[in-house]
Amino acid sequence: ELKVEQNPLFLSMQEGKNYTIYCNYSTTSDRLYWYRQDPGKSLESLFVLLSNGAVKQEGRLMASLDTKARLSTLHITAAVHDLSATYFCAVEGESGYALNFGKGTSLLVTP
Amino acid sequence: SQTIHQWPATLVQPVGSPLSLECTVEGTSNPNLYWYRQAAGRGLQLLFYSVGIGQISSEVPQNLSASRPQDRQFILSSKKLLLSDSGFYLCAWRKFSGDFSRPTNEAFFGQGTRLTVV
Repeated sequence: ELKVEQNPLFLSMQEGKNYTIYCNYSTTSDRLYWYRQDPGKSLESLFVLLSNGAVKQEGRLMASLDTKARLSTLHITAAVHDLSATYFCAVEGESGYALNFGKGTSLLVTP
Repeated sequence: SQTIHQWPATLVQPVGSPLSLECTVEGTSNPNLYWYRQAAGRGLQLLFYSVGIGQISSEVPQNLSASRPQDRQFILSSKKLLLSDSGFYLCAWRKFSGDFSRPTNEAFFGQGTRLTVV
């Protein structure tokens, strides 16, 4: 059974601080996706990581992928309140068609 | 550009009633289509996906079913709703690469349907 595990599941951090969200998965997939979900809203694509060692950055967020360790990280730099949301990672199943999500990390950035 | 439409946005249905949620995609052809459910405060559960007309893969045994009568239309149905069917239902699409290899793009999601079974 494919497993996608995120930690932490809940994260409260102060503005200006740095933190990392981890995503471990059990497949041999070399692709991983990060999404953001605001409360009551749908999912928005953040990053697409398509190979081992891939690194993508957008503003205060940076995502990386280590396919050998089956690990992706989402690093938050100098957090601001606008980053408060739930972040999901997702990987493909063995067929390559199904996209399976972790349980999400609920991030709250406080003043 | 591609867009995905999902309706209705909210729905309140009594236990035992039928359900039909519709999703359509515009601006692309032969997309891979997905139905996910998100229970309150929880992650996304993949319910069904489809790689072509009439082709449905079920990920979780449920009292739900899915159909794809047209290339860009995906329907989620139930004959009799249960209380446990309440949740946020999301339709998504991914671009098909065209050469029968795996899709390379991320999934794009509709705005979701919030279903409450009472």
